[in-house]
Amino acid sequence: DSGVTQTPKHLITATGQRVTLRCSPRSGDLSVYWYQQSLDQGLQFLIQYYNGEERAKGNILERFSAQQFPDLHSELNLSSLELGDSALYFCASSASGGAQETQYFGPGTRLLVL
Amino acid sequence: GQNIDQPTEMTATEGAIVQINCTYQTSGFNGLFWYQQHAGEAPTFLSYNVLDGLEEKGRFSSFLSRSKGYSYLLLKELQMKDSASYLCAVRDLGRGSTLGRLYFGRGTQLTVWP
Repeated sequence: DSGVTQTPKHLITATGQRVTLRCSPRSGDLSVYWYQQSLDQGLQFLIQYYNGEERAKGNILERFSAQQFPDLHSELNLSSLELGDSALYFCASSASGGAQETQYFGPGTRLLVL
Repeated sequence: GQNIDQPTEMTATEGAIVQINCTYQTSGFNGLFWYQQHAGEAPTFLSYNVLDGLEEKGRFSSFLSRSKGYSYLLLKELQMKDSASYLCAVRDLGRGSTLGRLYFGRGTQLTVWP
């Protein structure tokens, strides 16, 4: 158990819908990262937050957005969902987002878009 | 960006030793991580190398050669529970919005036979 929690564990929805994925980092960690993992793309970095502010952006679609709240939990919002958005979404956290820090991953949310 | 290559699949028998290679091309190297991921579960941290040489941690060791853009993960005394995907991830120096992000390889699926 990494100490990172994610909810929900599974999510099934329809195309065109919007969903929100939630992540709580390990106690004391200030930085949160979101990743998407699909069978054909591997693990892709989406976005990073540090203490409430966006720090780095990866391959995140415009239909997706995220934020980190004052209590340091983070939410990833996915809208206008398409079949291709079906994937595992992982959240990871690290102490301060520094370059040499290890990222600890949560159990993931499995999203299925029908 | 980054280019990270690792074999797609490997097989080995219990008790044996296996070496999983990873080659990378990066515009600015700032560390290499190895993660283990069982199917449908979160990646878990195995090792980190930022300087050339071998890092040993029990049955697992990781080697890095920065001049060759090469790393390997060595697993000794293989056990059935070692059957998993092994992900090589490179952190770049980054600038601006790509500061310190991790780039993951597609993973090497290791199957350990009795």
